[in-house]
Amino acid sequence: DIQMTQSPSSLSASVGDRVTITCRASQSISTYLNWYQQKPGKAPKLLIYAASSLQSGVPSRFSGSGSGTDFTLTISSLQPEDFVIYYCQQTYSTFTFGPGTKVDIK
Amino acid sequence: EVQLVESGGGLVQPGGSLRLSCAASGFTFSSYWMHWVRQAPGKGLVWVSRINSDGSSTSYADSVKGRFTISRDNAKNTLYLQVNSLRAEDTAVYYCAREGGGVRGCDYWGQGTLVTVSS
Repeated sequence: DIQMTQSPSSLSASVGDRVTITCRASQSISTYLNWYQQKPGKAPKLLIYAASSLQSGVPSRFSGSGSGTDFTLTISSLQPEDFVIYYCQQTYSTFTFGPGTKVDIK
Repeated sequence: EVQLVESGGGLVQPGGSLRLSCAASGFTFSSYWMHWVRQAPGKGLVWVSRINSDGSSTSYADSVKGRFTISRDNAKNTLYLQVNSLRAEDTAVYYCAREGGGVRGCDYWGQGTLVTVSS
């Protein structure tokens, strides 16, 4: 099975900061990698699919990159509503989520 | 408007069973692959199962294989998850989600239904 890791597990930042979250797969998954955002008590929301494609309706401050085993989610300028949890997910072989990264206010 | 509404969760004793349902509307249900994803209280997301558009192909996480069964009724626009031999570690919010197609991820999610396994 393909294992996913994320780093950091949590980070503290301020409004306006640029932040980067990393996701690593235990084997190559090409670009079969999605990113989700989850707010407390809510269902996840798809942000990025196929590693770098922005889901319709998602603000352009979110971007994704990577291929193979290493991927990144970048938020170019944090907004107050962005201080939540982010998950990566591989869809190369069945499906596996990463453990999540919590972004909180510094 | 795409809507996914789960139901069927509740309190069940270890070893018990439930059938979760997910009613879909606002899109052509029979054209989309569908998923179940769960989240234990305070924990991360865990993929559970997937079914293709006509119900002929399914896949499961190892942790639920042999105990859970995914199915769908395209005439009723409804996705199901039969959960048997429940364990305390199956306690979670269960979400249904639509796979957007191709290499897209799950683009629409329901609000979830809570399954609590406890004696």
